[in-house]
Amino acid sequence: EPEVTQTPSHQVTQMGQEVILRCVPISNHLYFYWYRQILGQKVEFLVSFYNNEISEKSEIFDDQFSVERPDGSNFTLKIRSTKLEDSAMYFCASSEMAGEITEAFFGQGTRLTVV
Amino acid sequence: ILNVEQSPQSLHVQEGDSTNFTCSFPSSNFYALHWYRWETAKSPEALFVMTLNGDEKKKGRISATLNTKEGYSYLYIKGSQPEDSATYLCAFNAGNMLTFGGGTRLMVKP
Repeated sequence: EPEVTQTPSHQVTQMGQEVILRCVPISNHLYFYWYRQILGQKVEFLVSFYNNEISEKSEIFDDQFSVERPDGSNFTLKIRSTKLEDSAMYFCASSEMAGEITEAFFGQGTRLTVV
Repeated sequence: ILNVEQSPQSLHVQEGDSTNFTCSFPSSNFYALHWYRWETAKSPEALFVMTLNGDEKKKGRISATLNTKEGYSYLYIKGSQPEDSATYLCAFNAGNMLTFGGGTRLMVKP
């Protein structure tokens, strides 16, 4: 069964460093998303991406964050200068169409720890 | 900011018990309500996508109902089994993103 894969599963980084979280969405999907969950809190939307551009982003997704689909298969989330409060589980998701009525398939997540 | 709430936050039941939990969401700008099952160390797995007021969906022992006018959905599990232990998330869709509730953590004791 097709699945969304994320790498690495766990990343530890020093405050101020740049990190890139990688995702391979399901191959025929057109819409891609990043979500995150800070420990003990709700899963929060970060950004959605379609047709090589951002279609929605939340207030969390500030200038420190960027997304890219560099080669037609990977979908990456870059955090330019990490802060302690960026420590969270980051989930990538993809869907065939816009997520109104189709399900989004999630990866297993990348646990980011900023020290 | 959309307010999506789930209750209870956690639930302990005995094997064989039936259980249900609630998701409440805004009753305006509704596109769909999603339910996900999330086991520790795995991806959230879609259970249902519900779009119409009065929708009832069923998958095995799990079923869900939807009331978009009053803004709530119920998830029912009949005859809970230990393998049902997971966090159940609902997510409200008002466009290009999902707004999640806090989840209900279900633990089923053998």
